[in-house]
Amino acid sequence: AQTVTQSQPEMSVQEAETVTLSCTYDTSENNYYLFWYKQPPSRQMILVIRQEAYKQQNATENRFSVNFQKAAKSFSLKISDSQLGDTAMYFCAFIEGGSEKLVFGKGTKLTVNP
Amino acid sequence: SQTIHQWPATLVQPVGSPLSLECTVEGTSNPNLYWYRQAAGRGLQLLFYSVGIGQISSEVPQNLSASRPQDRQFILSSKKLLLSDSGFYLCAWSRRQGGTDTQYFGPGTRLTVL
Repeated sequence: AQTVTQSQPEMSVQEAETVTLSCTYDTSENNYYLFWYKQPPSRQMILVIRQEAYKQQNATENRFSVNFQKAAKSFSLKISDSQLGDTAMYFCAFIEGGSEKLVFGKGTKLTVNP
Repeated sequence: SQTIHQWPATLVQPVGSPLSLECTVEGTSNPNLYWYRQAAGRGLQLLFYSVGIGQISSEVPQNLSASRPQDRQFILSSKKLLLSDSGFYLCAWSRRQGGTDTQYFGPGTRLTVL
């Protein structure tokens, strides 16, 4: 079965600094997709970034970027120039190509301090 | 642009009472639709998904059921709620296409069963 592991239950960072959230996953498939979602206190799940496994280039979205290491099955999220609004739960998620089942990690609670 | 709605936002129900949560999507047609549950301090668990009207797939055997009476409407139901049904319920949609598309989430419903 596919699993997603986020080893950091909680993290904190100072405003304007950079923080990296870790995620590892387990699959025997070669075609899959990885996501980071953000869940602020409002609890709505918001897409941060998406990575296709067949793409070697790491995805970036403004201040958010990933370090995708396919061989190591690692998918970390880097947040640059952290802002107070980045305070949220961050979930790593994985889905196999052609599947409808998005598998989530247990999340990392990130607090950005002023 | 696409919008996803869920209601009610909050619900408190006694054990043994029925349940009906509704999800609707605007701005797209023929979406894939999903129901997830998030227990306290955990990631999301896929409950049901639908690739078309009347087509429901269940991921977890439980006290809940789902229906899709219209193309952009997805309903989560129960005949008799259990205490264990408490949680945060999220509806999501994705474009139906050959490849795997991103799932976008609604604002969620917080259900408390007393």
